[in-house]
Order: sequence, then C-alpha cells, then structure tokens
Amino acid sequence: AQSVTQPDIHITVSEGASLELRCNYSYGATPYLFWYVQSPGQGLQLLLKYFSGDTLVQGIKGFEAEFKRSQSSFNLRKPSVHWSDAAEYFCAVGADGGTSYGKLTFGQGTILTVHP
Amino acid sequence: GAGVSQSPSNKVTEKGKDVELRCDPISGHTALYWYRQSLGQGLEFLIYFQGNSAPDKSGLPSDRFSAERTGGSVSTLTIQRTQQEDSAVYLCASSPRTGGNSPLHFGNGTRLTVT
Repeated sequence: AQSVTQPDIHITVSEGASLELRCNYSYGATPYLFWYVQSPGQGLQLLLKYFSGDTLVQGIKGFEAEFKRSQSSFNLRKPSVHWSDAAEYFCAVGADGGTSYGKLTFGQGTILTVHP
Repeated sequence: GAGVSQSPSNKVTEKGKDVELRCDPISGHTALYWYRQSLGQGLEFLIYFQGNSAPDKSGLPSDRFSAERTGGSVSTLTIQRTQQEDSAVYLCASSPRTGGNSPLHFGNGTRLTVT
C-alpha cells in the first residue's frame, strides 16, 4: 500500500520569501502525485499533479513541484509567497494497482503561516 | 458550474444518536469518495464508489459507519450510535473517472460534533 509523509507540520515564512514544502511517498510503481491546498472552512483545491514525463510540473497560483524518483520526493515550491497563500497543504499519492486502485492517500498536511 | 455540495455544513449531535451526511457530486462524475479529517490527523480514507463496481469500504472504521450511493449520484454517509471520537470534518469528493490518476473535486465538508 502507498503512503505519504509530510515531515513539516507547521512552516512560517515572511511574505515575499521563497517556500518549499516537503513530501515523501512510498509506492512500488510510478506514482500519481498531487498537491492540494485547503483554506480554513473550505474543501481541498488541486494545485498541481504529476503523472509522467517532465519531472517539474507547474500549477496554479505560481506553485511548482519537482518529482525526484531517487529520493521518493515531490516537494512543492513557490519563489515568492503572498499572504493569501496561508493555508494547509496536502500531498497525495494515487494508485492504480491492487487493493489501492483508485484511492488517494494523503499526507498529514503542512500548515503555512505567512508573516507580513 | 456547480461543484460538490455537502449538507449539512455543521452538525451537532448527542452521543448515541444516528446521523446522516449528504453529498451531491458534480454531475456526470463516476467516482465518489468519503474522507474524514480529524484535527492533526490529515485525511483518512473511508469509502470509494467506483461507477458500477462494488464500493471499496476498506476504510470504514467500524460497522457503525455505512454509506450508499443512489442512482450513481447522491451519496449518504450514515454513522449509527455516534461516539465522541467520531467528531471530525467529513469530506466528500468526486472525480470524472475511476483510477488513481483522476484528480478529486472536494466539497466544503460537514463538521460533525458529538457531545
């Protein structure tokens, strides 16, 4: 079965600073990888996804993520953070094999606080 | 267009009562998921309806939890004899197709509080 680890529970950055949120996954085959964002009281919104091909993927709101198979990682980055980026971020892995078919497994989430 | 709609948005119930949570997926979406989000626990998979195939119920935590999807559209998650540990946000999501590479579209959730 697949699993996802987000090592950082809470990250604080200053507005305008760069951001990197870490995500490590465990899955036996090529994974489908996602990043979602959740604002307070809201559902989750898809930021970006990786299925295959170019390992650097671009998403909405200026976010990007890089798939590194050798490190089993899919870290989310943004060059310059805006106050409106304050939210909780979830990494997820999807599977097409075995008992995990079709299910997305989510990490614990990273809460991002942005200081003015 | 309309997104995934969940009702009620908030539910307070007494321990031991039954509750029903409703999800209206995006029209035409084949797959429907229920997740539970507890404080500091991330998203816990509960159940997955995959078109006409049998649902994957592997995430339901106990036999007090059940879900159905009528006519391939609306879904209801039922919790019987609620316990305080059932307090959480219950999120529904739908997807246009089954498969691990199909992004999910989430509703805003139902916040359940068991007193």
